[in-house]
Amino acid sequence: DIQMTQSPSAMSASIGDTVTITCRASQDIRNDLVWIHQKPGKVPKRLIYSASNLDSGVPSRFSGSGSGTEFTLTINTLQPEDFATYYCLQRRSHPFTFGGGTKVEIK
Amino acid sequence: EVKLVESGGDLVQPGGSLRLSCAASGFSFRSYWINWVRQTPGKGLEWVANINEDGSRTNYVDSVKGRFTISRDNAKNSVFLQMNSLRVEDTAVYYCTTPFDVSWHHWGQGTPVTVSS
Repeated sequence: DIQMTQSPSAMSASIGDTVTITCRASQDIRNDLVWIHQKPGKVPKRLIYSASNLDSGVPSRFSGSGSGTEFTLTINTLQPEDFATYYCLQRRSHPFTFGGGTKVEIK
Repeated sequence: EVKLVESGGDLVQPGGSLRLSCAASGFSFRSYWINWVRQTPGKGLEWVANINEDGSRTNYVDSVKGRFTISRDNAKNSVFLQMNSLRVEDTAVYYCTTPFDVSWHHWGQGTPVTVSS
């Protein structure tokens, strides 16, 4: 199975900060990487697919990059509604596997 | 509008069975894979299983192989997850989702499963 190592597991940030979350795959997954976020008590929602494609309606302050084994989610100019938990998911091979999540909290 | 509606979650004793359903609407259901994903209380997300367009191919996470069976009825725009020999660690909210790699992607609202004596 492909292991997804996500870091950090939690972080504190201020409004207006730039936040970077990293996901590392245990083997090459090309660009088959998805970023998902979840606000407390809400259903998860996809932000980015194929490593760098923004979902419709997702603000342009979000961006994804990487391929192979190293991937990054960047949030520029953090907004109040961005405080949530973020997950990466590899869909290169079965079983699909999620990273452990990154909780972004208000500093 | 794309909608996924899960149902069937309940409180069940260890060793028991449940059948979850996911009713889909608003898209060409028979043309897409469907996933089941679960989230344990206060924990992260775990992909559970998926099924291809005509139901001929299925995949499972190791922890549910031999106990869970995913199936679909394209005439009813529905996917099912038959869960047998349930364990305490299967306690979670179960979501169905559309494929992760298409340009549009949706989750249902989830159905809670509690396995406890």
